[in-house]
Amino acid sequence: EVQLVQSGAEVKKPGESLRISCKGSGYGFTSYWIGWVRQMPGKGLEWMGVIYPGDFETRYSPSFQGEVTISVDESINTAYLQWNSLRASDTAIYYCVRRDYDHLLGSYFHYFDYWGQGTPVTVSS
Amino acid sequence: QTVLTQEPSFSVSPGGTVTLTCGLSSGSVSSSQYPSWYQQTPGQAPRTLIYNTSTRSSGVPDRFSGSILGKKAALTITGAQADDESDYYCVLYMGSGVWVFGGGTKLTVL
Repeated sequence: EVQLVQSGAEVKKPGESLRISCKGSGYGFTSYWIGWVRQMPGKGLEWMGVIYPGDFETRYSPSFQGEVTISVDESINTAYLQWNSLRASDTAIYYCVRRDYDHLLGSYFHYFDYWGQGTPVTVSS
Repeated sequence: QTVLTQEPSFSVSPGGTVTLTCGLSSGSVSSSQYPSWYQQTPGQAPRTLIYNTSTRSSGVPDRFSGSILGKKAALTITGAQADDESDYYCVLYMGSGVWVFGGGTKLTVL
């Protein structure tokens, strides 16, 4: 069974650093792109970026480029989303997602088939 | 920056049919942008409904269907049920490993 299991809720102060995680299981982790999606309180979903664990190729939304860092540790099937200096406006739920792969055609689909349970992040002084 | 526009809210009667749409701030939505749709109920992670414009994800009831209507992607719910009351998001693939989400539609079934 494919699962994306995220790390638990975090409460941080402005200016602090943070790294949250997403562990994939039940599939070949290095063969599927993993992405991150933000949901601010009472707001919609926003695509942040993706990473390919096989070669660490990363793409970011222009809105998040330079604001966060997406990385992976393929040895433990885990993707990360990292901030160096948090702001109150980073308060949100963060979801990791998996990009599906078409085994028949040998190419990637352009949608997200599995979602993590979400990691709530609260940044407050 | 690309903006996807969805109706902020919509209501449908139980058993009724509703079509939610997803348009681009400039230009038309096409199948080459691989529209996908996601359902989110309060307090839950989103669930994948539709991909590649009209393909239902595994386990999704056939009352959900996707299409291109004119210049927009569309999600139609035929025979709406009470537990269809959710937020619905469209997503387009913009190429080069970049996606964009619509603002979401809050669907009320009453």
